[in-house]
Amino acid sequence: GEDVEQSLFLSVREGDSSVINCTYTDSSSTYLYWYKQEPGAGLQLLTYIFSNMDMKQDQRLTVLLNKKDKHLSLRIADTQTGDSAIYFCAVHHTGGFKTIFGAGTRLFVKA
Amino acid sequence: EAQVTQNPRYLITVTGKKLTVTCSQNMNHEYMSWYRQDPGLGLRQIYYSMNVEVTDKGDVPEGYKVSRKEKRNFPLILESPSPNQTSLYFCASSSSSNSPLHFGNGTRLTVT
Repeated sequence: GEDVEQSLFLSVREGDSSVINCTYTDSSSTYLYWYKQEPGAGLQLLTYIFSNMDMKQDQRLTVLLNKKDKHLSLRIADTQTGDSAIYFCAVHHTGGFKTIFGAGTRLFVKA
Repeated sequence: EAQVTQNPRYLITVTGKKLTVTCSQNMNHEYMSWYRQDPGLGLRQIYYSMNVEVTDKGDVPEGYKVSRKEKRNFPLILESPSPNQTSLYFCASSSSSNSPLHFGNGTRLTVT
């Protein structure tokens, strides 16, 4: 079955860029999502990309997709302390009934 | 406000005592799903429902039951909870199985 992997921790200084990486195994993955989880809360959709795209930019967020390497990344520009959270990569296959999540990357932002 | 509501937020119980975690959404979503979140494992799907009276197993269904008698509600039932079901549980819904998920705020369950 599909496997989604992320590194567990990332620490950056306030104002720097953060890059969170994700790899997946199934090349038929069609929808690729980034969710954010703040302490004590559920997951909130941050952004997503379709597999026929290479890049998507939304304000401070840039998603890059390398289909050949099955690699997805999320770049957060000018990282703020409010960006401290757990970020989940998730993949979904068209017509399937499951969204498969990575283990989540905990982002620490140092002031 | 569009939301997914889970109750309770926190629950401590003993082994074998049946419990139900409720989930309700007000967005008229057809698709609903339950996940559990464990450290280092991310979210794993327990059960999902495509519509009323249509449910199916996810990746970790053992020890859980669900029902979908109404479109808005999707309760998670633990008939005989065990300590290995101690976890953080999330209910989620979406307008279709291909759409992004909307999550509830989670239920932290401890089984002693």
